[in-house]
Amino acid sequence: DQQVKQNSPSLSVQEGRISILNCDYTNSMFDYFLWYKKYPAEGPTFLISISSIKDKNEDGRFTVFLNKSAKHLSLHIVPSQPGDSAVYFCAARREDDMRFGAGTRLTVKP
Amino acid sequence: DTGVSQDPRHKITKRGQNVTFRCDPISEHNRLYWYRQTLGQGPEFLTYFQNEAQLEKSRLLSDRFSAERPKGSFSTLEIQRTEQGDSAMYLCASSLTAYQETQYFGPGTRLLVL
Repeated sequence: DQQVKQNSPSLSVQEGRISILNCDYTNSMFDYFLWYKKYPAEGPTFLISISSIKDKNEDGRFTVFLNKSAKHLSLHIVPSQPGDSAVYFCAARREDDMRFGAGTRLTVKP
Repeated sequence: DTGVSQDPRHKITKRGQNVTFRCDPISEHNRLYWYRQTLGQGPEFLTYFQNEAQLEKSRLLSDRFSAERPKGSFSTLEIQRTEQGDSAMYLCASSLTAYQETQYFGPGTRLLVL
C-alpha cells in the first residue's frame, strides 16, 4: 500500500527559479515529515523536516509546507542551483514506522 | 566519525547463494534500521534495532531474510538462498534515540543476483 505518493517522477527548472516538489499521504496518523535528497551511488541525505504541529519550516533556500487537511506537503527550493539536481524523497513517520514516496528527479538547468 | 558505513558497496552473486551485508552506524546512535530500495521506488523498511534488541521484524520480506546486531553496535543483514528478485539496493540508517526523528543513511549495498 502506497501511503506516501510523489506523483511527479521528474521536474526540470531553470537555475535561479523556484523548484516545487509535492508529496501526498493517506495516513492521518503520520506526525512527522521529512525530505531526503539522493545523488547517484549514495544513500539518501536528510534535507529538512516538519512536525505535524507546524505548517511551515524554513532552512536557508529550502522551505517545507504542510497542509494537514489536504494531507499534502511540498518542498520549495529558492533559488534553485545546478547542484540541487538529484532525486528527492519525501517520507512520513509515525513512531518508528517511516514510509517513503517513490521520489522526484529534479534537474536544474544552468 | 564520518557517518553510517556499509560493506560491501556492491555484491554480485549467483541465485541460491547466501549473502551477508554489514552496517556500522554513527557511533553514539542506538537505533539502526535496514531498508531495501528497488529501481524507481523509495526505501522500503525491513527491520530495526534498539541497541541489540530487534524491535520489528514482521516486515522482513521473507524468512530468507534475517538481521542481527549482537553487541548493539554494527549490524548484519543476511539473505539466504538468494533469488533474482532480491536484486536491489540495501540501505542502513541510524538515529540517536527513539525520539530523534531524523535517520541518517549509509551509502547502501547494491546486490545483483544472477
